[in-house]
Amino acid sequence: GAGVSQSPRYKVAKRGQDVALRCDPISGHVSLFWYQQALGQGPEFLTYFQNEAQLDKSGLPSDRFFAERPEGSVSTLKIQRTQQEDSAVYLCASSLAQGPREQYFGPGTRLTVT
Amino acid sequence: LAKTTQPISMDSYEGQEVNITCSHNNIATNDYITWYQQFPSQGPRFIIQGYKTKVTNEVASLFIPADRKSSTLSLPRVSLSDTAVYYCLVDFSGGYNKLIFGAGTRLAVHP
Repeated sequence: GAGVSQSPRYKVAKRGQDVALRCDPISGHVSLFWYQQALGQGPEFLTYFQNEAQLDKSGLPSDRFFAERPEGSVSTLKIQRTQQEDSAVYLCASSLAQGPREQYFGPGTRLTVT
Repeated sequence: LAKTTQPISMDSYEGQEVNITCSHNNIATNDYITWYQQFPSQGPRFIIQGYKTKVTNEVASLFIPADRKSSTLSLPRVSLSDTAVYYCLVDFSGGYNKLIFGAGTRLAVHP
């Protein structure tokens, strides 16, 4: 079956631009996670949704980062006024049940801020 | 800060068994231990998950001692295609910001 998809796969933004990253989770999956992965590092938690409710956003690095999942399926991570330190791979994962059990990851969006 | 500790890298040869150990001293009663595999330019892929003792599936085994302060991922008879980064993840109850992957273990399998 279809896995988690993310778009775009690659995004180049000039410093100061806004970007929007999309995640299509596996149909029926309750939980959705966003992670940021710097080169050579493991993924770092950004935020968690249970259906449409954003239950934890403690990992978002600044108020320039915003995530939503309005209908409990597709999610968008938005970064306003991008900075060079935002350059990373942004990973989305979904899981069937509540919480972080057996997450299915998308391929990620590689964001480069110039 | 609750975290996991794994070796930075390991080397092995085709056909050998590989064991990667992760320490998680602050694991809580309700936490599960999950291992993921990641290839370059891909998202992590779920390998196995366990709570205690031993879990086995078609690709790996997971050994968890009684105190649950560590866990060992066992990959039987590795092949070149097992060259990847392996992450140990513990829920660390108390908030999803405790989902800490760490730097992972880079496994290189040689012919």
